[in-house]
Amino acid sequence: GENVEQHPSTLSVQEGDSAVIKCTYSDSASNYFPWYKQELGKRPQLIIDIRSNVGEKKDQRIAVTLNKTAKHFSLHITETQPEDSAVYFCAASKGVTGGGNKLTFGTGTQLKVEL
Amino acid sequence: GAVVSQHPSRVICKSGTSVKIECRSLDFQATTMFWYRQFPKKSLMLMATSNEGSKATYEQGVEKDKFLINHASLTLSTLTVTSAHPEDSSFYICSSGGKGNQPQHFGDGTRLSIL
Repeated sequence: GENVEQHPSTLSVQEGDSAVIKCTYSDSASNYFPWYKQELGKRPQLIIDIRSNVGEKKDQRIAVTLNKTAKHFSLHITETQPEDSAVYFCAASKGVTGGGNKLTFGTGTQLKVEL
Repeated sequence: GAVVSQHPSRVICKSGTSVKIECRSLDFQATTMFWYRQFPKKSLMLMATSNEGSKATYEQGVEKDKFLINHASLTLSTLTVTSAHPEDSSFYICSSGGKGNQPQHFGDGTRLSIL
């Protein structure tokens, strides 16, 4: 089955700096890669996703890049703010979208943005 | 966008009690619902996939007689933790995305504490 590895497990940055979280996946058939943000005690919230026919996607301060050949994808957060502090999970799924296909999650990254 | 409503949000009960958790899709037809379990500071582990009108598919190592799943309609899936014990204490969360290009969205989760 699919295996998703995520690094680093913790990341501390100064406010205004950039943060990068990296994930690798094992199953070349995976073609949908969402990123979720989870605050303590709350549900994961989708922040950005990318499909395998695209190499990069950007939404304001958040961007995701995908390298299908190397089977890795990354989350980039620029101009970090204290409210960006949370746990971030990457995930991988087969199929056109994640709607009806199960997600395999990475182990999570605790991001702390310090003032 | 897809909205999933999950109840209850918090359950505290005695060992041996059975607990039912409900997830409802509010603005779409949830043909498939995914059930996850999350331990503190850990990732989401898929327990089972429920499909409307058919038997659920359980992940390896998940006891189907312990975690009963029912998906009798396109808007409701339930997870029943039978004869719960302290080791069943965890955060249980459902997700669904309907059909087509809908990404998965999560319910608010249920924090289960077995005394």
